[in-house]
Amino acid sequence: AQSVAQPEDQVNVAEGNPLTVKCTYSVSGNPYLFWYVQYPNRGLQFLLKYITGDNLVKGSYGFEAEFNKSQTSFHLKKPSALVSDSALYFCAVIGDTDKLIFGTGTRLQVFP
Amino acid sequence: GAGVSQSPSNKVTEKGKDVELRCDPISGHTALYWYRQSLGQGLEFLIYFQGNSAPDKSGLPSDRFSAERTGGSVSTLTIQRTQQEDSAVYLCASSLLSHEQFFGPGTRLTVL
Repeated sequence: AQSVAQPEDQVNVAEGNPLTVKCTYSVSGNPYLFWYVQYPNRGLQFLLKYITGDNLVKGSYGFEAEFNKSQTSFHLKKPSALVSDSALYFCAVIGDTDKLIFGTGTRLQVFP
Repeated sequence: GAGVSQSPSNKVTEKGKDVELRCDPISGHTALYWYRQSLGQGLEFLIYFQGNSAPDKSGLPSDRFSAERTGGSVSTLTIQRTQQEDSAVYLCASSLLSHEQFFGPGTRLTVL
């Protein structure tokens, strides 16, 4: 069975500081990994994905994520946080089946 | 181009009534997904349509929930005899491949 864990319910960071939102996964085969963002009262927006190739994936709005196979992680990062980055972030994986399995989400709060 | 659309955006109903939620996927997308997002919770997979294959209904929480996809395009999620615990945001997504899903804005269902 495939699963995704986001160990932090909330991450707080000051504007201008680097941010990391953690994600670990469990699949039996090669994982396809995704990050989505949900702004208040809006649907989910795709940020980035890892399918194959370079372990460092760059996505929208200056976000990036690093695939680490040995640690089964796919942490989301941004060098300098903006207040407008405050939102709910979901990590997701496709592994054993075609279904996209989501983590429980991490609320990012960037304060001025 | 047009994204995934859902209607209605908000639905308030009385306990015991039936409701229908509609999803118009991106034209040409062969896969369509329904998810449920309860307040403060992650995304719960409900059902998945892929082309002409039999749908994956493994996420439907009870037999009160059903979904159809007509002509490989529009989908309707029906909830019969609604209960208060059905209150949630119902999200639809479509994709050409299973890798990147595009989400609609969701339908917020409130059962009184």
